[in-house]
Amino acid sequence: GAGVSQSPSNKVTEKGKDVELRCDPISGHTALYWYRQSLGQGLEFLIYFQGNSAPDKSGLPSDRFSAERTGGSVSTLTIQRTQQEDSAVYLCASSLAENNEQFFGPGTRLTVL
Amino acid sequence: DQQVKQNSPSLSVQEGRISILNCDYTNSMFDYFLWYKKYPAEGPTFLISISSIKDKNEDGRFTVFLNKSAKHLSLHIVPSQPGDSAVYFCAASGTSGTYKYIFGTGTRLKVLA
Repeated sequence: GAGVSQSPSNKVTEKGKDVELRCDPISGHTALYWYRQSLGQGLEFLIYFQGNSAPDKSGLPSDRFSAERTGGSVSTLTIQRTQQEDSAVYLCASSLAENNEQFFGPGTRLTVL
Repeated sequence: DQQVKQNSPSLSVQEGRISILNCDYTNSMFDYFLWYKKYPAEGPTFLISISSIKDKNEDGRFTVFLNKSAKHLSLHIVPSQPGDSAVYFCAASGTSGTYKYIFGTGTRLKVLA
């Protein structure tokens, strides 16, 4: 079956612009996660959605970052007023339920000039 | 503050020999550990996991060892194959939120034919 998909695969933007990154989880997966990997760093947890529960936003680095998940499926990560330090690969993952194996998408490489 | 550390950024091994990838952690509350493999331009894929109640888990050519007293885990690949060449991430989670995987920075394994 189809895996986790993310779009765009690459995004180049200018400092100060807003960007939206999209994630399509595996159908039927109730849990969805966003991570980012900056150069030379491990994957950093950003936000977690589980069903209709309030998301765990504890990993979001600043209030410029927000995410939503519509209808319990597709998720959008929005970064407002991008900064150069936001440049990273943003990875989305989904799992059948909490505590199950996380399946990752290919990521979106964001470059802020 | 890196709670999960992979101190070897790269490793080269001859085909057919054993590959040993190491991971150290600092948080004694971690009770579940995973290894993910990542090929270029793809998301990480789950490889193997181990719970803190065990000290070894084996799956085919892959074995993970956990030494809780040393806060150390290792991934053994025997025999190594060229297709194993990838970046390997270890990850840990604990009771503060089992879905919050804390990842290491990765080790790039190159298996030489």
